[in-house]
Amino acid sequence: DSGVTQTPKHLITATGQRVTLRCSPRSGDLSVYWYQQSLDQGLQFLIQYYNGEERAKGNILERFSAQQFPDLHSELNLSSLELGDSALYFCASSVGSGYEKLFFGSGTQLSVL
Amino acid sequence: AQSVTQLDSQVPVFEEAPVELRCNYSSSVSVYLFWYVQYPNQGLQLLLKYLSGSTLVKGINGFEAEFNKSQTSFHLRKPSVHISDTAEYFCAVTTNAGGTSYGKLTFGQGTILTVHP
Repeated sequence: DSGVTQTPKHLITATGQRVTLRCSPRSGDLSVYWYQQSLDQGLQFLIQYYNGEERAKGNILERFSAQQFPDLHSELNLSSLELGDSALYFCASSVGSGYEKLFFGSGTQLSVL
Repeated sequence: AQSVTQLDSQVPVFEEAPVELRCNYSSSVSVYLFWYVQYPNQGLQLLLKYLSGSTLVKGINGFEAEFNKSQTSFHLRKPSVHISDTAEYFCAVTTNAGGTSYGKLTFGQGTILTVHP
């Protein structure tokens, strides 16, 4: 158990809908990262928050947004969903800026039908 | 920008045999290199990392990797594999370039290691 909690584990929804994925980092970790894993794109970095502030942005679509709350949990919001958004979404956390070690959650499997 | 190429998408091997999973990277600046393992239905777990110093890095579960700057490689090795090593392995890179988030890892496409009895 990495200590990173993601909910829900599975999510099935329809095109055009909006969903929210939630992540609770390990106790004491200030950074939260979101990654998307799909068969065609592999593992791709989406966004990082550090202590409530956006720190870095990757290949995140404009339809996607995220935030980190004062209690350090994070939410990834996906809107106007398309079939191609179906993927496994991972959250990871780390104590500081990140390179030393990331702890990954088990992921949220999103299926857009 | 950096990139990572894992040269083998699948590697089958028999139990107790040695294995090498190959990883090459491309970057115009100094890099930090990682190997992560993903077991079925689980998140990724760090196996080992190269930040600086000795080019031979030892990780968990008997794995090791060697950083070769001239060949821009970071191959993962284990002298004797077990059934429990069956998993997908990812090579990843990040840099210490100014302003770059060190957690912004660029991952390879993964290598599925299957250990047969």
